Amino acid sequence: EPEVTQTPSHQVTQMGQEVILRCVPISNHLYFYWYRQILGQKVEFLVSFYNNEISEKSEIFDDQFSVERPDGSNFTLKIRSTKLEDSAMYFCASSQDSNQPQHFGDGTRLSIL
Amino acid sequence: GESVGLHLPTLSVQEGDNSIINCAYSNSASDYFIWYKQESGKGPQFIIDIRSNMDKRQGQRVTVLLNKTVKHLSLQIAATQPGDSAVYFCAENPILTGGGNKLTFGTGTQLKVEL
Repeated sequence: EPEVTQTPSHQVTQMGQEVILRCVPISNHLYFYWYRQILGQKVEFLVSFYNNEISEKSEIFDDQFSVERPDGSNFTLKIRSTKLEDSAMYFCASSQDSNQPQHFGDGTRLSIL
Repeated sequence: GESVGLHLPTLSVQEGDNSIINCAYSNSASDYFIWYKQESGKGPQFIIDIRSNMDKRQGQRVTVLLNKTVKHLSLQIAATQPGDSAVYFCAENPILTGGGNKLTFGTGTQLKVEL
């Protein structure tokens, strides 16, 4: 069964450094998403992406965050200058259409020191 | 100050029994609902979905019930197995009312299956 894959599984970064989290969505999916889950809390929406542009973003997704689809298979989340509170699990998801289920990867655990 | 995470409600069931996990959603404009299962160290795994024009949908060993009047969703798992032990989340999405396709997740319920 096709799945969303994310790399790395764990990223440790110094505060203030840039980090890029990578995702390979399911190949025939057109909609891509990032969510995050701070330890012990709910999964929170960050951003959705379709047709090479952001379609919706949350308040969390400020100007320190950006997303990109650099080629036909990868979807990345960049945090420009990381803060301690960015420590969380980051999940990538994709869906075939906007009204179809979103399928999630197993996440990248981001630890900011 | 002390950082406190969410205290997950826990449902403990015996293997072979049926499980019912409940969820109250907040947005009356939501018209698409999904149940996800999350095992430790993994991402949310799609189980079943339902749209607001339905009140019941069945899958393999799972049934989702939707009561729009009281904004309540439930997931029923028949003949619960040890592999069903996980955290279960409901998620809502106001697709048809122009709310985009962002999912709003509930708090989650920890299901523990006892042998």
